[in-house]
Parts: sequence; structure tokens; C-alpha cells
Amino acid sequence: DAGITQSPRHKVTETGTPVTLRCHQTENHRYMYWYRQDPGHGLRLIHYSYGVKDTDKGEVSDGYSVSRSKTEDFLLTLESATSSQTSVYFCAISAGTNEQFFGPGTRLTVL
Amino acid sequence: DAKTTQPPSMDCAEGRAANLPCNHSTISGNEYVYWYRQIHSQGPQYIIHGLKNNETNEMASLIITEDRKSSTLILPHATLRDTAVYYCIVLGGGSNYKLTFGKGTLLTVNP
Repeated sequence: DAGITQSPRHKVTETGTPVTLRCHQTENHRYMYWYRQDPGHGLRLIHYSYGVKDTDKGEVSDGYSVSRSKTEDFLLTLESATSSQTSVYFCAISAGTNEQFFGPGTRLTVL
Repeated sequence: DAKTTQPPSMDCAEGRAANLPCNHSTISGNEYVYWYRQIHSQGPQYIIHGLKNNETNEMASLIITEDRKSSTLILPHATLRDTAVYYCIVLGGGSNYKLTFGKGTLLTVNP
């Protein structure tokens, strides 16, 4: 399995609080991605990174920001969490191909 | 990127071959067909990809029709652990390796 971990694995928070999810890789891959998965929508891309400090938006980026200060870490921040951001969040990595390796997921509940 | 169409669900008996179809009639010449799967509560997993020739690896075979408008993923001897949602994705160059997941096919392998 690709060396990719996500933390925390589960989180319950309240509306309006900031939340940061972390994705950590040991593969030294250039590309990293954040997806969310909701019933009826499948996986949707939030943000992605193509290098340190290089990021871009996906299809559902509103309400989310990301940062990548090191190759191995990609952070997803919800500045002010809302109930609509309750979801399962997956991080993925790739070496610059369409073969992506996914992490175990973070289940976030916003009350 | 070309749109894909997959049946929402299929059943297969354990030990038999599972044949999962995908239609991609608008595929263009430089676009590849990728298959991923997602076992319940886990992150998606890459299976196989191809351009126009049939491909085989340790997990599956991919058969692409000569006109490239459809393809079939074959799991030669399905096991209960192959029960998952299978996604067919068409991608070409310049996509920044961003995957777009549709609803996929839920394959249920029955004992």
C-alpha cells in the first residue's frame, strides 16, 4: 500500500469552528489531492497540489482552503465549518499520472 | 473529458468471471480508459487502464472495442472481497491528473 495517512480519522465539530485535516505521504509524490464523498454525489475534487506551494481549485472548492509547505504534507482547512461540509474526506497522491493512491479517509461531522 | 455510462448495479457468483461494461462513445483519440474500485468505507483503488489495446494485470483485464466507444473490465474469478463500486473514468492529457468519479457500478459477488 502507498504510504499515505490521514489525520484525524474521525472528527465531530460544531458549526462555525475552524477545522484542519492533514494528509501525509512518504512516497515523495509531486501531486496531492483532496476529495469529498457524499451519498448520491460520488467523489468530488476539492483542491489539488502539483508541488510545494502550488495549488489549484477543484469542482467544489468553496469554503475550503489548502496549503502545502512540504512535499509530504497537504492540509485542508475549513475556516468556518458548516453542516453541509459533513462528509468523508479522502486524500490522494500521484507521481504525475492518472494512477492515484488514496488514503483511508476522514469522517467529519459538523453539528 | 469524455462522459461514461455504467449500469448502476450487477451481481456475480463467487468464482465466476465478472464482466463490467462501460460506454464512452465520445472518447477522443488521446484519452485513456481508467478503472478504479471502492470497497465499502475505504478509499478508491486503481485497477487498470488502457488506450486501445487490451490490457491485463494481476487484478483484472480490460477489453476496449476497436472503435473505442466502449470497454469491459473483467475480474476472471470474482471473490467476495471484490464486492465494491467500480468506476470507469476517461482521461486525456492536460487534465492535470484530476479524476472525475461518476456513480459507478455496484458489483455484488454472491456466495
